[in-house]
Amino acid sequence: QVQLQESGPGLVKPSQTLSLTCTVSGDSISSGSHYWSWIRQPAGKGLEWIGRIYTTGGTNYNPSLKSRVTMSVDTSKNHFSLKLSSVTAADTAVYYCARDIYFDVWGQGTMVTVSS
Amino acid sequence: DIQMTQSPSSVSASVGDRVTITCRASQDISTWLAWYQQKPGKAPKLLIYGASSLQSGVPSRFSGSGSGTDFTLIISSLQPEDFATYYCQQANSFPLTFGGGTKVEIK
Repeated sequence: QVQLQESGPGLVKPSQTLSLTCTVSGDSISSGSHYWSWIRQPAGKGLEWIGRIYTTGGTNYNPSLKSRVTMSVDTSKNHFSLKLSSVTAADTAVYYCARDIYFDVWGQGTMVTVSS
Repeated sequence: DIQMTQSPSSVSASVGDRVTITCRASQDISTWLAWYQQKPGKAPKLLIYGASSLQSGVPSRFSGSGSGTDFTLIISSLQPEDFATYYCQQANSFPLTFGGGTKVEIK
């Protein structure tokens, strides 16, 4: 059974870079058959797709965040990562990682608060 | 960006009721549509993909239909565990986008 687990700091200061990792178990990122996405959800609000990465490192980002987003994949650790730079309070949200274009597997989510 | 508009934003229903949720895309997305269920404090769960295909393990009381710009999720007989928020999502083009959600509440 495939499982995803987000990890990273729960508190980030304004203007700094948010960094999260999603560790995949029960499947191999290097199998090359899946896309891996990041999605976020501010408290009480809807879902926003941030972007996705393929095994080869190819990426697609949401244009609304593209200038601040970097995604990477580490096949040796079977995880992929998100970096979001120059964060503000508006980036406070639960961040999820998920698999494929129809998100059939999700991590449990990790709350990230941007505050000084 | 393709805008996804769900209606209603909330619905009050009783156990056993038939519930219908609609999702409209701002442009033709063929059948590139998914439906998710989200309970408080939990990640969304995929229910329907390809507009009408039931995800493995999802009860058959959930069904989806539609193509182009208009889509529907039907819960044929609402169960206590179905009280949640439902989202549609288009997978036709980037950026992938979600509807604003429909909260199904207990009447």
